[in-house]
Amino acid sequence: DAGVTQSPTHLIKTRGQQVTLRCSPISGHKSVSWYQQVLGQGPQFIFQYYEKEERGRGNFPDRFSARQFPNYSSELNVNALLLGDSALYLCASSPRGYGYTFGSGTRLTVV
Amino acid sequence: QQQVKQSPQSLIVQKGGISIINCAYENTAFDYFPWYQQFPGKGPALLIAIRPDVSEKKEGRFTISFNKSAKQFSLHIMDSQPGDSATYFCAASLGIEDYKLSFGAGTTVTVRA
Repeated sequence: DAGVTQSPTHLIKTRGQQVTLRCSPISGHKSVSWYQQVLGQGPQFIFQYYEKEERGRGNFPDRFSARQFPNYSSELNVNALLLGDSALYLCASSPRGYGYTFGSGTRLTVV
Repeated sequence: QQQVKQSPQSLIVQKGGISIINCAYENTAFDYFPWYQQFPGKGPALLIAIRPDVSEKKEGRFTISFNKSAKQFSLHIMDSQPGDSATYFCAASLGIEDYKLSFGAGTTVTVRA
């Protein structure tokens, strides 16, 4: 069975640019969460979506936004990229809004 | 502001030895404490979890010890194997049904053969 799929696996962006990260949850999972993992630190919660509605948001600036589509896939958008946005972005999915399975992440490098 | 503090940052253990990772928290509302294992290039995977009404939980070679009064919990890896070499994260949430996990900073464990 396919796990949580994230794309792309790696990308490099320039400061000030915008980026969109994509996530396909495990089949049957209706909830998606996004986490940011800076090198050497633990993941930090960004967003949670359940049944296409935002249910939770972490302490991140408005430059970060997300959405969930009718097929439960999700996108994370980051505008006006800063060097400090360089991180591994993790998507996790769950059938019920908790008990998440993580994907392998997208490694974003901002130069 | 890190709600869960984890130590040590890294440790090296010989094959067959015991690895011990410690975590401490401040928020007494936390009610669910999972541990995650992360291999390079992979996302974190749930390893074992405990609730504060239990002082110890064992699954195979992995044991969580929980001290509610001290607001501390720890992971013991018994008979450590080279395949256990990974980064381990403790985490906490307001309950098993809470979607938001607060993670520690992680401990990189290296098991020498």
